[in-house]
Amino acid sequence: GAGVSQTPSNKVTEKGKYVELRCDPISGHTALYWYRQSLGQGPEFLIYFQGTGAADDSGLPNDRFFAVRPEGSVSTLKIQRTERGDSAVYLCASSLGRTGVDTQYFGPGTRLTVL
Amino acid sequence: LAKTTQPISMDSYEGQEVNITCSHNNIATNDYITWYQQFPSQGPRFIIQGYKTKVTNEVASLFIPADRKSSTLSLPRVSLSDTAVYYCLVGDTFAGKSTFGDGTTLTVKP
Repeated sequence: GAGVSQTPSNKVTEKGKYVELRCDPISGHTALYWYRQSLGQGPEFLIYFQGTGAADDSGLPNDRFFAVRPEGSVSTLKIQRTERGDSAVYLCASSLGRTGVDTQYFGPGTRLTVL
Repeated sequence: LAKTTQPISMDSYEGQEVNITCSHNNIATNDYITWYQQFPSQGPRFIIQGYKTKVTNEVASLFIPADRKSSTLSLPRVSLSDTAVYYCLVGDTFAGKSTFGDGTTLTVKP
């Protein structure tokens, strides 16, 4: 079956530009997560949605980062005024969003390079 | 979320059993233990999850002692394709947020 998909797979932009990264979760998954992964490090939590609402956005580094999930399915991570330090792989995951055992399924990621 | 500690790297040879141990001294009552595998240029992939004692699936076993302050991922008869980074996570999965450490880089040699 279809897994989590992310577009684009690669994004190169210039410092100061605005970018949008898209995540299509597995159908029926109510929970959606965004992570950021720098080279040689584990994924770093950014934000978690349960349905349409952001249940936990404590990982967003600053107000340049924003994410939406207007219909409870597709999500978009938006980064304003990009900086070179934003360069990383941005991972999206989805899960059924249930208590106890709730496995997250990850997409392949979007590699963002800010020049 | 409970902090986890695991070895930075491990080497093994094809056909051997590999055991990767993760320490999580501050694990809470509601916390589950989950292991993920990540290959280069891919997102992490779920391997196994458990709460206590032993869990086994088609790819791995997870051993959790009674005090739950550590856990051991066991990969039987590894192959070259098992070369990857392995992450141990501890938390209440419904809490949403998952805290990954830097993982254990396993290198399987021929």
